Amino acid sequence: AQSVTQPDIHITVSEGASLELRCNYSYGATPYLFWYVQSPGQGLQLLLKYFSGDTLVQGIKGFEAEFKRSQSSFNLRKPSVHWSDAAEYFCAVLKNDMRFGAGTRLTVKP
Amino acid sequence: NAGVTQTPKFRVLKTGQSMTLLCAQDMNHEYMYWYRQDPGMGLRLIHYSVGEGTTAKGEVPDGYNVSRLKKQNFLLGLESAAPSQTSVYFCASRRRGPQETQYFGPGTRLLVL
Repeated sequence: AQSVTQPDIHITVSEGASLELRCNYSYGATPYLFWYVQSPGQGLQLLLKYFSGDTLVQGIKGFEAEFKRSQSSFNLRKPSVHWSDAAEYFCAVLKNDMRFGAGTRLTVKP
Repeated sequence: NAGVTQTPKFRVLKTGQSMTLLCAQDMNHEYMYWYRQDPGMGLRLIHYSVGEGTTAKGEVPDGYNVSRLKKQNFLLGLESAAPSQTSVYFCASRRRGPQETQYFGPGTRLLVL
């Protein structure tokens, strides 16, 4: 079955530390890939997206993601996390419609 | 532009009651979507529409109906609410074309007692 997997339900990092959130997909061909962020009580905000071309994409708020076809992965990274990055992060794929992973909740320690 | 708006923001229903959630967008988008968000399950697609007068089922359509009579509005109906429909509901819209960004509304929190 086609799916989007975020293996980490909850991650805690210290402020200033680097961050990597994992996302794997299982689709026959490369779908369009997205990362969204959701702050508590808010809707979803697009961080970045990948359609084709350069496999390293830059997004807002200092985030980037790398598409690796061989691993069917689209991991989100940030070199130095800020306290305001604490939120829930969703990976999503667009084939015929948009499908989301279950999300990873990020906690930032002072 | 207001973007995507949802009405109401919060609602409490008793089992068996009906209600309609309204999604409105002012960006002239062709595609509109209804999702529900439950803890540990991410967002799941309920129904979607690719244009005025057309709707289609998503991943979890049972217990819901939708209508798209006007391009800017997408209504989600619950004919007989059940506790399992307690959730946060998000509407989204985007332009036609695979590389268009999907924009989300702020959500409607629904509690069914």
